[in-house]
Amino acid sequence: AQKVTQAQTEISVVEKEDVTLDCVYETRDTTYYLFWYKQPPSGELVFLIRRNSFDEQNEISGRYSWNFQKSTSSFNFTITASQVVDSAVYFCALLGAGSYQLTFGKGTKLSVIP
Amino acid sequence: DTGVSQDPRHKITKRGQNVTFRCDPISEHNRLYWYRQTLGQGPEFLTYFQNEAQLEKSRLLSDRFSAERPKGSFSTLEIQRTEQGDSAMYLCASSSGLRFEAFFGQGTRLTVV
Repeated sequence: AQKVTQAQTEISVVEKEDVTLDCVYETRDTTYYLFWYKQPPSGELVFLIRRNSFDEQNEISGRYSWNFQKSTSSFNFTITASQVVDSAVYFCALLGAGSYQLTFGKGTKLSVIP
Repeated sequence: DTGVSQDPRHKITKRGQNVTFRCDPISEHNRLYWYRQTLGQGPEFLTYFQNEAQLEKSRLLSDRFSAERPKGSFSTLEIQRTEQGDSAMYLCASSSGLRFEAFFGQGTRLTVV
């Protein structure tokens, strides 16, 4: 069975602070894919990144960076110099090989205070 | 590319009534998904189409739920004899055959009173 755990339910930071959102996953598949999505108050899930299980290289995109560690089954997301527009619920998700079902965590609500 | 479109955005219905939601995927995407999201939870998978074929259905999809994707274009999700427990956000997503990331619509929020 697939499982994604986002232990942080809510986080509040002051604008310009760095923040890391944790994601831990469980799967028996040797090939799988990990995702992060952002859900602003409007409700639409916005795709941020996909990572393949065979590629542990960390990725940076502007103020966003992702740290994938298979040894600890973690795929953490860091926002550098947070902004008010980053306020949203962030979801980590897992897709097993041969499946089309995304398994989502419960999400972390990030509030960036000006 | 206009993104995934869902209609209506909001629906309030009385218990026992039938409701139907529509999803228009990104035009070149052959894969379409329905998810349900309740307050404070992540989305849960309901069903998956590849072109017009419904290839996966979750156990969450009771007999009162039916989904179609005629001609492999738009999709409809119908809930018959709605119950209060059906109140949720229903999300549609689509993806291409070459990439795994799914792109989501803004959802239809259903309230059963």
